[in-house]
Amino acid sequence: KAGVTQTPRYLIKTRGQQVTLSCSPISGHRSVSWYQQTPGQGLQFLFEYFSETQRNKGNFPGRFSGRQFSNSRSEMNVSTLELGDSALYLCASSTGTDQPQHFGDGTRLSIL
Amino acid sequence: DQQVKQNSPSLSVQEGRISILNCDYTNSMFDYFLWYKKYPAEGPTFLISISSIKDKNEDGRFTVFLNKSAKHLSLHIVPSQPGDSAVYFCAASHFANTGNQFYFGTGTSLTVIP
Repeated sequence: KAGVTQTPRYLIKTRGQQVTLSCSPISGHRSVSWYQQTPGQGLQFLFEYFSETQRNKGNFPGRFSGRQFSNSRSEMNVSTLELGDSALYLCASSTGTDQPQHFGDGTRLSIL
Repeated sequence: DQQVKQNSPSLSVQEGRISILNCDYTNSMFDYFLWYKKYPAEGPTFLISISSIKDKNEDGRFTVFLNKSAKHLSLHIVPSQPGDSAVYFCAASHFANTGNQFYFGTGTSLTVIP
């Protein structure tokens, strides 16, 4: 069974640009969550989508947005990139509420 | 506001001994807890979970203990093996949520010395 796939694995951007990250969940998983991981901060919750609807949102500015398609694939977009957005962005999928989440290997975003 | 805390950034243990990783939480509404293991350049991997109706859950060498009154959970690994060397994250959520929102600790880096 294929795991959660995130693309690209690495990305370098400059301040002010925008970026789109992609996540393909495990087949049959309808819940997709996004997290930001920075050194010393653990995993910070960005948002969760279920059946193309955003169900939960963390405390991030509106520059961070996402969407989910009918096949459960999800994208995350960050506009007007700032140096502080440099982080590992992780996507996780699960079958439903309060079930273990399964993570992809992340996209390492570096802002110059 | 960090609702889930792992106060030990690192831990070193001899191979064959017990590893005990600790986690504290502040939100009394949390009722589902998980532990994840993370190797460098990989995403976290689910290890074990426990719901608040239990105080212990075992899976092979891994046991999670939950003390609701102290808002504390711990992960015991017995016996520890060099392959267990990784960063361990605890996470928590509560059923009142409309969906999946897990709160993660900052992680504890475990080193098992051969």
